[in-house]
Amino acid sequence: DAKTTQPPSMDCAEGRAANLPCNHSTISGNEYVYWYRQIHSQGPQYIIHGLKNNETNEMASLIITEDRKSSTLILPHATLRDTAVYYCIVIDAGNTPLVFGKGTRLSVIA
Amino acid sequence: DAGITQSPRHKVTETGTPVTLRCHQTENHRYMYWYRQDPGHGLRLIHYSYGVKDTDKGEVSDGYSVSRSKTEDFLLTLESATSSQTSVYFCAISEEGDGYTFGSGTRLTVV
Repeated sequence: DAKTTQPPSMDCAEGRAANLPCNHSTISGNEYVYWYRQIHSQGPQYIIHGLKNNETNEMASLIITEDRKSSTLILPHATLRDTAVYYCIVIDAGNTPLVFGKGTRLSVIA
Repeated sequence: DAGITQSPRHKVTETGTPVTLRCHQTENHRYMYWYRQDPGHGLRLIHYSYGVKDTDKGEVSDGYSVSRSKTEDFLLTLESATSSQTSVYFCAISEEGDGYTFGSGTRLTVV
């Protein structure tokens, strides 16, 4: 079973920041938070991951709360091409296979 | 995606026939995975491999077998295809501590 809770859908205006929340209240100390997205009919795409510090890469930023029970994925300037299903996944460092929940369907609107 | 290819991309087969899907990687990654994706169920793990000849079952392994005789190839076989195995199949690769890279998928229709 997925260990995370995400809203089923969100809308975001093009050019605005998209903030996607994820609750993972049962996360343990050695588990990472990973984010993936799946654009219609394509394979999922890795976005970012973190353990306890905030992370940023060319695609997004990941903000993890101090108690690690929730996190937020931030797409700083959403475009229409960011319309996708976004998955938040908690997993340990030992390459345990990913378990996907239902994710959040983000619609970026012009 | 670069470094991972799935074949075929599309296949239509008849109930009861054997089908083999291939996942090929050029990244020399240790771990390989097969998922299926169906409306209402999302992505579900079928089988995975953590090295040559080392495989394990996932959540929905019944009716499927896998083989990994070389690092670069991970084969998924449906011994006798059924209509319930109509799905989109995704292969993925990973290394320790890295994110997964997924292939473009194989759309299988069993008629």
